[in-house]
Order: sequence, then C-alpha cells, then structure tokens
Amino acid sequence: DIQMTQSPSSLSASVGDRVTITCRASQSISSYLNWYQQKPGKAPELLIYLASSLESGVPPRFSGSGSGTDFTLTISSLQPEDFATYYCQESYSPPRFTFGQGTKLEIK
Amino acid sequence: EVQLVESGGGLVQPGGSLTLSCAASGFSVSSSYLSWVRQAPGKGLELVSVMYTGGSTYSTDSVKGRFTISRDNSKNTVYLQMNSLRTEDTAVYYCAREVDYGDSEGRGDWFDPWGQGALVTVSS
Repeated sequence: DIQMTQSPSSLSASVGDRVTITCRASQSISSYLNWYQQKPGKAPELLIYLASSLESGVPPRFSGSGSGTDFTLTISSLQPEDFATYYCQESYSPPRFTFGQGTKLEIK
Repeated sequence: EVQLVESGGGLVQPGGSLTLSCAASGFSVSSSYLSWVRQAPGKGLELVSVMYTGGSTYSTDSVKGRFTISRDNSKNTVYLQMNSLRTEDTAVYYCAREVDYGDSEGRGDWFDPWGQGALVTVSS
C-alpha cells in the first residue's frame, strides 16, 4: 500500500497567518491527491481534489499544489473557522486508497 | 441536496454483530460508489469497504470475512454488516460517496459527501 506522511502533525498559528501543510507519498502518485478538512465531532469535508482543484463552495484562500510524491495545502490567510484537522488522501491505488495521519491546526 | 445519513451504531461485545445503514438522498446509490470509512478514537481515517455500481465490492484486509457491504436500491440505502467484532473495530464509521473521476484505471476518485458518522464501540 502507498504510505502518506503529513507534516507537521500539529501546527499553531494565528488568524491572518499563511499556513502550509505538506503531504508526501511513498511512491509517485502523479496528481492523484485530495485534501479534506475535519472539525471536532464532525465528518471530513472535501477541500481540494486532483491536487489543485478547489471544491465548489470552498473559499479561495485554500489552495493545493504538487505532483509526484510531494504536495502542499496552503491557507493564504487563516480565518477562525479554519482551525481543524486536515487530511490528505491518495487516489492512485484503487481500491486501496489511503489517508495521511492528519495535521491538527490550532490557534496560537 | 445530496446527503448521507448513517444509523445503527452502538455498544456491542467482542464477537458480536452489528449492522450499519447509510440512507442516501439527492442521488441514487445504484449509480454511485458508496464507501465506509472509519476513524478510531483520536486516530486517522481508514477506508473499510466499497460498493461499486456493478455490484462488486472491496474490503480492507483487516475486515475481510467479517464485514459485508451491501445495498438496497429500492430503499436507496447501503449497509455494513459487521460480524465477529473486535475491540480494534471501535471507531466512528462514516458513509461517503466515492466520486468516480472516470479514469480508465480507476484512479483520481475522491470522497464527497460524507455522512455524520455512527459510533461503534466494541467492549465487554
């Protein structure tokens, strides 16, 4: 199975900060990478699919980039509602899609 | 509105059984891929089972032979029958639609939307 490793595992930041979360795949996955946001007690929600396509309704301060093994999720200016846990998910190896371990974004 | 609603979670003893239901609205389960994804307490996400449009299924190795995914098109509902439950199966189980990107090799899919989750606790 493909292993997905996110860094950092946790991150403290302030409202208005620019934040970058990294996801690394154990092998090349082209651009088959998705990002989700999960708030406490809630289900995950899709943010970005195919590495850089913004899901409808997601604010444009979220962006994704990368290909091959290295990917990033960037939030250009943190808002209070962005404090959550973020997961990457590879979609290169059907049906055994795997998720990263998550990055918890906390208020500084 | 496209929506998924899970039900059937609860407390069960090790070795016991439980069936989760996922009722869909706004789309047809017969023409979509439906998945079960679980999250153990304080942990990450794990794809458990998938029901494909043609009726074929996938289950991760740790639940093969114990969990069965099925669907009832007339009720627009997908089920996860869980037998021989273990303490390590304790988790919130989410139902999610796996959006088919259409790649010839099955790549590129994503999960959207997700249900609210059903808590399954396996404990004596």
